[in-house]
Amino acid sequence: QKEVEQDPGPLSVPEGAIVSLNCTYSNSAFQYFMWYRQYSRKGPELLMYTYSSGNKEDGRFTAQVDKSSKYISLFIRDSQPSDSATYLCAMSARDTGNQFYFGTGTSLTVIP
Amino acid sequence: KAGVTQTPRYLIKTRGQQVTLSCSPISGHRSVSWYQQTPGQGLQFLFEYFSETQRNKGNFPGRFSGRQFSNSRSEMNVSTLELGDSALYLCASSLLGLPNEKLLFGSGTQLSVL
Repeated sequence: QKEVEQDPGPLSVPEGAIVSLNCTYSNSAFQYFMWYRQYSRKGPELLMYTYSSGNKEDGRFTAQVDKSSKYISLFIRDSQPSDSATYLCAMSARDTGNQFYFGTGTSLTVIP
Repeated sequence: KAGVTQTPRYLIKTRGQQVTLSCSPISGHRSVSWYQQTPGQGLQFLFEYFSETQRNKGNFPGRFSGRQFSNSRSEMNVSTLELGDSALYLCASSLLGLPNEKLLFGSGTQLSVL
């Protein structure tokens, strides 16, 4: 079983829709949770960073962490064609040192 | 502030050859990590360097190696290339390489092995 599981999609939504992206994980020691956006042939770009459980909002993006269920989500409101990319979740823990664990990514297309 | 810079952007090699990839971290960042990204496996951790020392290593064969210089720039080397080494190789930097720090990536080097 992989440490982090993420539905690869692809996900296709109309412009303006609310998008929900999710990851589950198995290591209960994970404390630091990140979402990255990756455009084709580019490196991942950090979108959201969350520590432990709870919600964090930044503009149209909201990250949620539910440690009891080992489940994290990223919500995108009022989705735009420019949001079309692959979204990667990542996480780390104190006892994993500097090694981050990534999901395989969800491919999102926002149709104008 | 300049971001993480990786060179070259693209490489084409043949089986059996070796390759060296370069990474310049964000100014002031002392930790450099390397990841391999493939469509099936996603991002997999190769190794991390801090102050010229390898602190952590992923589950890759010894053909994959790296080093870090005193200015924090890093190189990774893959010897005796195999077809399965075709991937996007990503370098990321952070200030001290702590798990609670934000990991910032370069654009990657796309390696194709023929």
